[in-house]
Amino acid sequence: DAKTTQPTSMDCAEGRAANLPCNHSTISGNEYVYWYRQIHSQGPQYIIHGLKNNETNEMASLIITEDRKSSTLILPHATLRDTAVYYCIARNAGNMLTFGGGTRLMVKP
Amino acid sequence: GAGVSQSPSNKVTEKGKDVELRCDPISGHTALYWYRQRLGQGLEFLIYFQGNSAPDKSGLPSDRFSAERTGESVSTLTIQRTQQEDSAVYLCASSLGQGAFYEQYFGPGTRLTVT
Repeated sequence: DAKTTQPTSMDCAEGRAANLPCNHSTISGNEYVYWYRQIHSQGPQYIIHGLKNNETNEMASLIITEDRKSSTLILPHATLRDTAVYYCIARNAGNMLTFGGGTRLMVKP
Repeated sequence: GAGVSQSPSNKVTEKGKDVELRCDPISGHTALYWYRQRLGQGLEFLIYFQGNSAPDKSGLPSDRFSAERTGESVSTLTIQRTQQEDSAVYLCASSLGQGAFYEQYFGPGTRLTVT
């Protein structure tokens, strides 16, 4: 899997949009961009994934730049329960998931 | 619908004892994965199953670790002669198919403590 780079931590006000960036400048054409999050003491939770096009689901939106070298996960209306570590992964055909350091998002009232 | 479930949620065992950890994947998911996560660290891949077969056992840390899956459903991870360094959260995930297109859904994990 290509290396990804994320900020170590971010704060967001409750009710505001949380925009989490991820750089994956060495991503190859067949690698998907995946986002997971892990709330303290829980298993990782799948959020969203995409290859080239922007994606949206009930949890979040994923914006991938045209050159695919970076992406942004958007939580449109962050709540206190969104406080977690968010992992961006560039995943190839391999079956295993590899988490890097992630971004610790703190949603504040 | 039901997600991935794991049991027990917590296990404390004495060094040298054997333990069995169970994973019930989402119904219909053909692929099943085992990971380990030490405190404050990332995921460590252990093994995955496609159906009842395990094509990739390369992540198992030692021959004390083994896993099986039956009926393309339940999987058991067995650790023999546990050591203190085995203490970690053991996570199971399942997906509809194998490969990068299919997202993996995780269970809550089993926290293993070896004293």
